[in-house]
Amino acid sequence: DAKTTQPNSMESNEEEPVHLPCNHSTISGTDYIHWYRQLPSQGPEYVIHGLTSNVNNRMASLAIAEDRKSSTLILHRATLRDAAVYYCILREYNQGGKLIFGQGTELSVKP
Amino acid sequence: NAGVTQTPKFQVLKTGQSMTLQCAQDMNHNSMYWYRQDPGMGLRLIYYSASEGTTDKGEVPNGYNVSRLNKREFSLRLESAAPSQTSVYFCASNSQGAYGNEQFFGPGTRLTVL
Repeated sequence: DAKTTQPNSMESNEEEPVHLPCNHSTISGTDYIHWYRQLPSQGPEYVIHGLTSNVNNRMASLAIAEDRKSSTLILHRATLRDAAVYYCILREYNQGGKLIFGQGTELSVKP
Repeated sequence: NAGVTQTPKFQVLKTGQSMTLQCAQDMNHNSMYWYRQDPGMGLRLIYYSASEGTTDKGEVPNGYNVSRLNKREFSLRLESAAPSQTSVYFCASNSQGAYGNEQFFGPGTRLTVL
């Protein structure tokens, strides 16, 4: 399983953009890049995913490097509710869809 | 839709006791998963079922068994609980086993083994 590397923690101010980095230098051509987040005392929830092109949805944007060895999750305006652990995960093609979680980045948001 | 439901929400066991954690989804998903999360750690995959009638081991299967009872239900059994199995257990499901699709998680079962 290809691995990802994320900072252990990051801080942000409310209503400012947040860029959460992820390195995945051993990514294979068929790995999808997924982001999930886990709010305190809850199960993880899906944020966004992509393969090669940048992606946007109502929650966030995902910027993928041209060589696919890194990606950045962008929260455009952080709110207090965005304080969570964010996981960057490589999801293998045709391997049962399983997710291999790393340690994630704990994001704190200051008012 | 209730999504993914898990029972019980909390459980305390003594070493050596057995129990079954129940999981059900009402989204007509093919694939279901069981994860555990220890304090301060990310989730680790115990077992998964890519489709009804199949099950496969994940990263940490020792001490657990699973049953994919039907398309909706996927149970996790601890035959002889050990303190090392104290953890929060999450069940999840998604519509396709291969790639790309979002995985939905249940609220978790908090298990303590004394």
